[in-house]
Amino acid sequence: SQELEQSPQSLIVQEGKNLTINCTSSKTLYGLYWYKQKYGEGLIFLMMLQKGGEEKSHEKITAKLDEKKQQSSLHITASQPSHAGIYLCGADAGGYQKVTFGTGTKLQVIP
Amino acid sequence: DVKVTQSSRYLVKRTGEKVFLECVQDMDHENMFWYRQDPGLGLRLIYFSYDVKMKEKGDIPEGYSVSREKKERFSLILESASTNQTSMYLCASSLAPKYSGRVSTDTQYFGPGTRLTVL
Repeated sequence: SQELEQSPQSLIVQEGKNLTINCTSSKTLYGLYWYKQKYGEGLIFLMMLQKGGEEKSHEKITAKLDEKKQQSSLHITASQPSHAGIYLCGADAGGYQKVTFGTGTKLQVIP
Repeated sequence: DVKVTQSSRYLVKRTGEKVFLECVQDMDHENMFWYRQDPGLGLRLIYFSYDVKMKEKGDIPEGYSVSREKKERFSLILESASTNQTSMYLCASSLAPKYSGRVSTDTQYFGPGTRLTVL
């Protein structure tokens, strides 16, 4: 079965700093989702990447998919307290509509 | 905008009680899912449904059942709640798959979650 490993597991950054979160798959990535979760709440869809080399941006968040490395990275530029939360990656698990999720990266942004 | 709602944000039940968690989506999505989320274990799929009255077991179905009598509503049932079912329960929905190259899933949209405590 596919496993997704996220790194780092947690991150504390000063407001205004840039940061990167990685999601590495044990198998070939065919579709990769990024979600954000505020503490104790549901997941908010950020973006989906489908092809190797694809890059998408949403406000100050950019995600890329590196098919060869079986990895996706999420980059936040000039972080703000509103970026705080848990970021989860999810990947097409190969079964019907099934998605495997990583265990998440907890981000804190200090004003 | 897709809206997925869950009946309760917080729920406290006693061991042995029958528990119903309700999920409703308003976007006419075919697929609906129930996950539980636990620290260090991430999201784990309990059951999913791809059509009315259809259901499939996920990775951890033991101790749970589901019901989907109407397209917009998917219920998770704990027949006899136990303390190890204390968790955050998340419902999600998605459209039927559209095939784009090799991608065979569609984006799942999540509800706000129900934090269940079983005493």
